[in-house]
Amino acid sequence: DAKTTQPNSMESNEEEPVHLPCNHSTISGTDYIHWYRQLPSQGPEYVIHGLTSNVNNRMASLAIAEDRKSSTLILHRATLRDAAVYYCILRDVDNYGQNFVFGPGTRLSVLP
Amino acid sequence: NAGVTQTPKFRVLKTGQSMTLLCAQDMNHEYMYWYRQDPGMGLRLIHYSVGEGTTAKGEVPDGYNVSRLKKQNFLLGLESAAPSQTSVYFCASSVLAGGPYEQFFGPGTRLTVL
Repeated sequence: DAKTTQPNSMESNEEEPVHLPCNHSTISGTDYIHWYRQLPSQGPEYVIHGLTSNVNNRMASLAIAEDRKSSTLILHRATLRDAAVYYCILRDVDNYGQNFVFGPGTRLSVLP
Repeated sequence: NAGVTQTPKFRVLKTGQSMTLLCAQDMNHEYMYWYRQDPGMGLRLIHYSVGEGTTAKGEVPDGYNVSRLKKQNFLLGLESAAPSQTSVYFCASSVLAGGPYEQFFGPGTRLTVL
């Protein structure tokens, strides 16, 4: 799977939107973009994924650049519970099991 | 649905001891995975399984063995524990691998090897 680059940490105020960036300049045409988050002392949990078009779900929105070399996870109104490490991961459609590669991610702090 | 469960939640071993970590999922998923997470790091894949009776090595397989005798269970064994294996271990499962399929993670097992 291709590599991703994320900022080490970000800060947000409660109830404000948060935009978490991810660069993936070597993405291939069959790579899906996944976002997971890990709350303190818990296992990672799925947030959202997309291929080419922007995606929305109850947790967040995913904005994918037209050239697919970057993407942004958008939390529309940050809450204290959103403080977590957010991982941006690429998954090839033909990758059958190996290397769901988790880098260090972005540690999001939410200030009350 | 309980989702993915892991047993035990915590364990302390002495160097050279052995133990088995159990992962169970009730979602009828074909794929299961074992990861380790060291402090301040992302997860690294140890072994994975693409179905009952089949396993494969991940990024960091040395010192570990796995078995998948039943579809719902994936066992991770440490034959002779070393302090370098002190970590938090996460199990995960997915319907299929690759592309759009999300992984569901367990709560983790915190292992300390003295």
